[in-house]
Amino acid sequence: GAVVSQHPSWVICKSGTSVKIECRSLDFQATTMFWYRQFPKQSLMLMATSNEGSKATYEQGVEKDKFLINHASLTLSTLTVTSAHPEDSSFYICSARDERGTRTQYFGPGTRLLVL
Amino acid sequence: AQSVTQLGSHVSVSEGALVLLRCNYSSSVPPYLFWYVQYPNQGLQLLLKYTSAATLVKGINGFEAEFKKSETSFHLTKPSAHMSDAAEYFCAVSEGGTASKLTFGTGTRLQVTL
Repeated sequence: GAVVSQHPSWVICKSGTSVKIECRSLDFQATTMFWYRQFPKQSLMLMATSNEGSKATYEQGVEKDKFLINHASLTLSTLTVTSAHPEDSSFYICSARDERGTRTQYFGPGTRLLVL
Repeated sequence: AQSVTQLGSHVSVSEGALVLLRCNYSSSVPPYLFWYVQYPNQGLQLLLKYTSAATLVKGINGFEAEFKKSETSFHLTKPSAHMSDAAEYFCAVSEGGTASKLTFGTGTRLQVTL
């Protein structure tokens, strides 16, 4: 149980285009999901907290117009990188909070984005 | 504010040797603490978590960690390393329970040699 999927697992796009990444909780409902960014050989940095049915909460320094988050259902959150540039290339990881029990966060397998 | 310090960005052990990965935390309230493992190009897998119950926490794959309030530490150990343990390990802390935001340490890469 407590499986989180991400799609796509990797994506290459041209500079200026937009890319959408999906995060799904497969066997539990998640009113709260989180989006992280990880640079090579570095730790995870929280970008935003995604709340089902309401606006996401962005961390300081994260451009909300650049990284659009939609949490339309209890099992799906999407992150759209708008007008992507090479500096947006990174590994994006989502997590979903299982509201049962101790409300632990479970992580997806990540999406590697390369912007050319 | 909460923070985590992982001492040693790179640890190398021989197969069968003891694994010790260090984690110290800072928190203004009683913390919840976690260890996650990340294999190359993958997401994070929860190894174990401390949620204010028993101070010695046992996790998956033979790992365990002990919460020591006096030392503000939550070191991860495994009695005998296996080649498959080679990965990146992250310690994380949250305040206000497991539901709060996680703050991660910088990670420790574990190398296991023959």
